[in-house]
Amino acid sequence: GAGVSQTPSNKVTEKGKYVELRCDPISGHTALYWYRQSLGQGPEFLIYFQGTGAADDSGLPNDRFFAVRPEGSVSTLKIQRTERGDSAVYLCASSLRAFSSLSGPSYNEQFFGPGTRLTVL
Amino acid sequence: AQSVAQPEDQVNVAEGNPLTVKCTYSVSGNPYLFWYVQYPNRGLQFLLKYITGDNLVKGSYGFEAEFNKSQTSFHLKKPSALVSDSALYFCAVRDRTGTASKLTFGTGTRLQVTL
Repeated sequence: GAGVSQTPSNKVTEKGKYVELRCDPISGHTALYWYRQSLGQGPEFLIYFQGTGAADDSGLPNDRFFAVRPEGSVSTLKIQRTERGDSAVYLCASSLRAFSSLSGPSYNEQFFGPGTRLTVL
Repeated sequence: AQSVAQPEDQVNVAEGNPLTVKCTYSVSGNPYLFWYVQYPNRGLQFLLKYITGDNLVKGSYGFEAEFNKSQTSFHLKKPSALVSDSALYFCAVRDRTGTASKLTFGTGTRLQVTL
C-alpha cells in the first residue's frame, strides 16, 4: 500500500515569506507526527495529532509555526515569517492509535515520509 | 525528560564481519525502544522495536537489538554486515507512561561497510 507522502519534496523561499508543507498519512492511521531534522542531527519532535486535534504541540519552536489536520487525515504545517534558521528537512510520520484512555500509550511504530527540504534564503 | 545517546558518529566494518551500533537511553519509566535506518534522499525506515518480553529483538534485514535494562542500552547488531547496510542509523525512545507519544531520537550513527 501507499506510504506517507509529503509535498513538496523541496521548497526554497525567502526570509520573511510564508510556507505550507503538506503530509498525507497512511490510510487508517489516526496518529500523525511532524518532526524537523537539521543537518547532522536526529529528528526533533514538533507536534502530534490524534485524529483532528493536536494532542501535543510542545515541540513547536515558537508561534510562527502552526499545524492543522482538519479532517483527521491530511495535515499541513504552516510557517509564518520564515527565518534562515528554519531551514531543515521536515518529516511527517503516521501510526496506528498512539494512545488509549483505557490502555495508555501504544507501541505502534511510526512510519515516516520522505520529508520536505526547506531552504530559507 | 527522555533522551538517547549514540556515542559513535561513525562505525566502520568490513563486509562479512559482525557489527554493533551503540545506543543508551534515559526515560522516567519503562521505555519503548526503536531503531530506524535512513538511506540518502529517503525517509526513515523502521527496523525493529522493543516493547516487552525477550531482551533480544529481531527485525528487518537480519538486524537485531539487545535490550539491557541495567545498562539502559539498546545496541543494534548484525552477525554479518553487507555493503548495502551502509546508511545512517537512529535509535529512538518513547516513554510508556503518561500520554507522551513522541519519539526522542539520538543524533545518528553512520555505518560504513567496506569490501
